[in-house]
Amino acid sequence: SQTIHQWPATLVQPVGSPLSLECTVEGTSNPNLYWYRQAAGRGLQLLFYSVGIGQISSEVPQNLSASRPQDRQFILSSKKLLLSDSGFYLCAWTRTVLGGELFFGEGSRLTVL
Amino acid sequence: KQEVTQIPAALSVPEGENLVLNCSFTDSAIYNLQWFRQDPGKGLTSLLLIQSSQREQTSGRLNASLDKSSGRSTLYIAASQPGDSATYLCAVKMDSNYQLIWGAGTKLIIKP
Repeated sequence: SQTIHQWPATLVQPVGSPLSLECTVEGTSNPNLYWYRQAAGRGLQLLFYSVGIGQISSEVPQNLSASRPQDRQFILSSKKLLLSDSGFYLCAWTRTVLGGELFFGEGSRLTVL
Repeated sequence: KQEVTQIPAALSVPEGENLVLNCSFTDSAIYNLQWFRQDPGKGLTSLLLIQSSQREQTSGRLNASLDKSSGRSTLYIAASQPGDSATYLCAVKMDSNYQLIWGAGTKLIIKP
């Protein structure tokens, strides 16, 4: 069976510090990978998606970047965090871009102080 | 532009009741619709995925229906339990588009 893991689960970082959130999927190959952000009281916002190694599409101009160094690994990064980067970050995957069921990781809670 | 609405925003019912959660969408040209639940501070758990050609899907006590012509999906929960308490979200995928359009969710509380 397929599983998705992301870490760390909780992170408290000062403004201006770097960020690295990691996500891995097990039990499948060539998944489509997504990073979402869920801000308090707001809906899910798609940040990045990837259909293959090194292929990243950005949905929202922001202080964040994403990379996919391996088939089942997706990393969300920032060089300098802003207060507005605080939120709940969720990694997700599907088998296909068009019609697949979307599965989420456990989430990473980021607080920027 | 597709819009997805979930009403009510919150619902509190006694344990044991059968209940229906609603999800409506403005553009019927959807590819599929997916229901999720989210527990506080946790990720989303996929409950049911309905393809545009399907009318319903069932999993245990859950049954999701889809009526594209009226722009509605319902999630039916039978014999509700306190463990069903969570926020339920629906999301719609449009044809030939990787994006999901999300509803704001219904926060469900099942009282023992």
